[in-house]
Amino acid sequence: DIQMTQSPASLSASLEEIVTITCQASQNIGNWLAWYQQKPGKSPQLLIYGTTSLADGVPSRFSGSRSGTQYSLKISRLQVEDIGIYYCQQASSTPPTFGGGTKLELK
Amino acid sequence: EVQLVESGGGLVQPGRSLKLSCAASGFTFSNYGMHWIRQAPTKGLEWVASISPSGGSTYYRDSVKGRFTISRDNAKSTLYLQMDSLRSEDTATYYCATGGRYYFDYWGQGVMVTVSS
Repeated sequence: DIQMTQSPASLSASLEEIVTITCQASQNIGNWLAWYQQKPGKSPQLLIYGTTSLADGVPSRFSGSRSGTQYSLKISRLQVEDIGIYYCQQASSTPPTFGGGTKLELK
Repeated sequence: EVQLVESGGGLVQPGRSLKLSCAASGFTFSNYGMHWIRQAPTKGLEWVASISPSGGSTYYRDSVKGRFTISRDNAKSTLYLQMDSLRSEDTATYYCATGGRYYFDYWGQGVMVTVSS
């Protein structure tokens, strides 16, 4: 199985701050990478797919990028509604696998 | 509006069975692959199983192969997960989701399954 190593495990940031979460794939997954946001007590929601494509309705302050087998999610100006847990996920091969999650809190 | 509503969860003893359902609306169900993903209490996300739009192809994680069966009824726009020989490690919230390949576009609210004696 492809391992997805996400960092940091937790992150505390201020409003309007730039936030970056990274995900390292254990092997080549091309651009088959998605990011999800899970707010407290809610179901996960797709943010980004195909490494860089925003899902419907996702604010433009979210963006995704890739360097080799390292993938990044950037929030350009943190808002209160962005608080939650973020997961990366590879969609390249079966089984699809998720990173361990990054808990984002307000400082 | 896409809606996915899971049902059928509950408390079950180890070794027993449970069948989850996911009623879909707001999209052409028969055109999309469907998936089950679970989340153990305070843990991360774990893919469980997927089924093709026609139901002709199914995929499972190794730990549930031979115990779980994913199926769908396109006439009823409903997805199922038959879970047999349940173990304590199957305790989780189970989400159904839709999406192409392994991108999970829309998720249900989830249903809790607790396996305990």
